[in-house]
Amino acid sequence: ETGVTQTPRHLVMGMTNKKSLKCEQHLGHNAMYWYKQSAKKPLELMFVYNFKEQTENNSVPSRFSPECPNSSHLFLHLHTLQPEDSALYLCASSQVSAAGGGETQYFGPGTRLLVL
Amino acid sequence: QKEVEQDPGPLSVPEGAIVSLNCTYSNSAFQYFMWYRQYSRKGPELLMYTYSSGNKEDGRFTAQVDKSSKYISLFIRDSQPSDSATYLCAMSGGGGSNYKLTFGKGTLLTVNP
Repeated sequence: ETGVTQTPRHLVMGMTNKKSLKCEQHLGHNAMYWYKQSAKKPLELMFVYNFKEQTENNSVPSRFSPECPNSSHLFLHLHTLQPEDSALYLCASSQVSAAGGGETQYFGPGTRLLVL
Repeated sequence: QKEVEQDPGPLSVPEGAIVSLNCTYSNSAFQYFMWYRQYSRKGPELLMYTYSSGNKEDGRFTAQVDKSSKYISLFIRDSQPSDSATYLCAMSGGGGSNYKLTFGKGTLLTVNP
């Protein structure tokens, strides 16, 4: 496996279900991200993990719960979602340096989520 | 005013045409500018990366940044049907948040054979 992988690629769930999205990066990066991509909207940054520490939570509802057990793996736990949460969920990774410098983010293929 | 404005299109051109895509932004702290290409049912892939103002060329693609006007462009020469995709501009920089990307909505491009 190379790059950033995500599973599952497609997910249909009811509003009362609990599911998890998985992301794995094989690039040796130290930062990982969750984005939400909805039709006609820009990518929305949801969570950032930098050196396994959550450094960003962009006012995301608590029904989305991230987990980063190590620098290569990132999960997004989902529970009691709403139909408006249906979207493409993208994972990305980058190598963040102490000096900073516009680090390039590499994206996975995404999980297409449909909430019924 | 949105931080990044990008015309969503759709834009349809014949094969071989020169395509011009652009974004405007309001945050003068942005220093790093990127263009991502996203094919249907795929994640975005980095196409071009520029720092500050100026031009960068890579094959048929040229990225331009005009920080004084807060305007960035992507030109595609000799466009091919395989260029049909959504093009996303993204930018970052300023205040220790270089890792945070702000995206435009994306422009859907179709190149017709």
